[in-house]
Parts: sequence; structure tokens; C-alpha cells
Amino acid sequence: DSGVTQTPKHLITATGQRVTLRCSPRSGDLSVYWYQQSLDQGLQFLIQYYNGEERAKGNILERFSAQQFPDLHSELNLSSLELGDSALYFCASSGAGGHINEQFFGPGTRLTVL
Amino acid sequence: DQQVKQNSPSLSVQEGRISILNCDYTNSMFDYFLWYKKYPAEGPTFLISISSIKDKNEDGRFTVFLNKSAKHLSLHIVPSQPGDSAVYFCAASALYGGTSYGKLTFGQGTILTVHP
Repeated sequence: DSGVTQTPKHLITATGQRVTLRCSPRSGDLSVYWYQQSLDQGLQFLIQYYNGEERAKGNILERFSAQQFPDLHSELNLSSLELGDSALYFCASSGAGGHINEQFFGPGTRLTVL
Repeated sequence: DQQVKQNSPSLSVQEGRISILNCDYTNSMFDYFLWYKKYPAEGPTFLISISSIKDKNEDGRFTVFLNKSAKHLSLHIVPSQPGDSAVYFCAASALYGGTSYGKLTFGQGTILTVHP
């Protein structure tokens, strides 16, 4: 158990809809990261937040957005969903001890867009 | 443009023998490297890491070697155990302008199967 929690575990929705994925980092970690894992793209970095502020951005679509709240949990919002958005979405956190780049991953949310 | 490559999609070894997983990178700005293990339906689990100022880091059965001139790293597992069977990802990160950005760039993964 990495200490990172993600909800929901599975999500099935239709094209055009909007969903919100939630992540709670390990206790004491200030950084939260979001990654997308699809079959053909592997694990792709989406976005990083540090203590409530956006720190780095990867190949995140404009239809996607994220935020980190004062209690350090984070939400990833995906809108106008397309079939190609079906993937595993992982949240990771880092910071409490250890190297900043040693990220600890949650179990993921499997999103299926029908 | 794949900056981190794991050219072997799969590796099969006998229990008790050494497993060697390889990873190549192209971005010379990468300065920190990590290995993760992933079981199906779970998130990646951090295994071991190495800074670019070192060429070897050891943790129990796991050793990571870094060859900066060749832009190559490898993970050695000795002895291999059936429970090590999983997908192994190498990942790299870079330091920009004195601020450590946490973006990890992952390879495509290698499926390790350890036979009893």
C-alpha cells in the first residue's frame, strides 16, 4: 500500500460527458502528479501540483484540467470525453522524505468511455 | 519522440538466476533515474533509484547501474524469485534551472517472468 488513494476505481461513461477523478496523496506529501496510461502510449505525464499550485504540465489536453485543494487532495476533471480518453489514470505523490522525484502511485482509476 | 526506451518487451528467467532489465535514454538533461514494478490492476511500485552522480545503487536483491556516456541503465535482480514476475518500467527526470520538476518520463515497460 503506497498510501496514495484514488477514487473511483472504475468509471464507465459516454462520449461527451464530464467526469472527476479524485486523489489523496500520502501523508506529508506536497506534490501530486497525474499520469495517463493507455495501451498504445504507455505512462504519460499529465500535470503536477505542488502545495496547491501548478508546477509542471505535460501533454494534457485542453479538455482536461486539475486542481489541488488546501487539504492537498487533487482532482482531475475530464470533459467532452472521447473514446480515446479510455485509459488508466494514475495519481502519484512525493515529498515527505526521500527524493522529490521518488513518486508513489495510487491504484489508478480505469476510465471507459462508450 | 521516445526519450526513454526499453527495447525488450519481455524477459523470461529461471528462479534463482539473475534478471537483467535494460533501459536507454536520449535526453542528456535527465539526472535522476528510477525503476518501478507494476502488477496488473495496481499502480506502479517504486523499487530503486539512482542519481546521475553515481554509477551504481544497491538495495537488497536489486541493483541499478548507470552508464552516462552510453545513456544506458540496467536493473539487476539477484536471485530472481517467482514473485518478481511483473512489468518493470524505467523512468527518468530532469533538473531545469535549479528547480526540480517532478515529471517522470517512462519507458514502455518489460514484462519479467520468473519460472519456478
